[in-house]
Amino acid sequence: QKEVEQNSGPLSVPEGAIASLNCTYSDRGSQSFFWYRQYSGKSPELIMSIYSNGDKEDGRFTAQLNKASQYVSLLIRDSQPSDSATYLCAFHNTGGFKTIFGAGTRLFVKA
Amino acid sequence: DTGVSQDPRHKITKRGQNVTFRCDPISEHNRLYWYRQTLGQGPEFLTYFQNEAQLEKSRLLSDRFSAERPKGSFSTLEIQRTEQGDSAMYLCASSPGSGASYNEQFFGPGTRLTVL
Repeated sequence: QKEVEQNSGPLSVPEGAIASLNCTYSDRGSQSFFWYRQYSGKSPELIMSIYSNGDKEDGRFTAQLNKASQYVSLLIRDSQPSDSATYLCAFHNTGGFKTIFGAGTRLFVKA
Repeated sequence: DTGVSQDPRHKITKRGQNVTFRCDPISEHNRLYWYRQTLGQGPEFLTYFQNEAQLEKSRLLSDRFSAERPKGSFSTLEIQRTEQGDSAMYLCASSPGSGASYNEQFFGPGTRLTVL
């Protein structure tokens, strides 16, 4: 079982729609979860962090965490063409400092 | 307020040569990470420093790789006897280590290594 699993996509949504990105992880003890956005040829950029079960909203972005199901998701409302990028899910391993990234989901927002 | 910087941005070398990369973290960030990223993959953890102490190192890291962070400021990553499989983007990130966002990592632009 992979430590982090993400659908590689591409996920294609029309402009203005909600994009839903999903991630599952294997380390039950993980406490810190992150979503990063990476444009082609650029380095990852932090979008959100989430530590507690439930939802966390920041502007058009909402992260959702369900530790019992080992599942974290990212919703992007009112998607814009500029949101087209690869979205990386990441978490910290239990008791350590290692950050484990998924392979990312490519998102295309069609104008 | 400057972000994480890395030098060089690109490096082309011949197989068997040694290379060294530098990372300057955001000032006052005491945590520093090195990652390697290849096409279509997420960043792969290499090593972690808290101040000058190297607290975690990937088992995937061979003896050819070494990293230092003297005085807890900038860090260097050296690859000895480079191989073609070392070709990748090498990313550095830093995080504050304290406060509400203590482990949120901010990435530098990366150093792209090509081994011929």
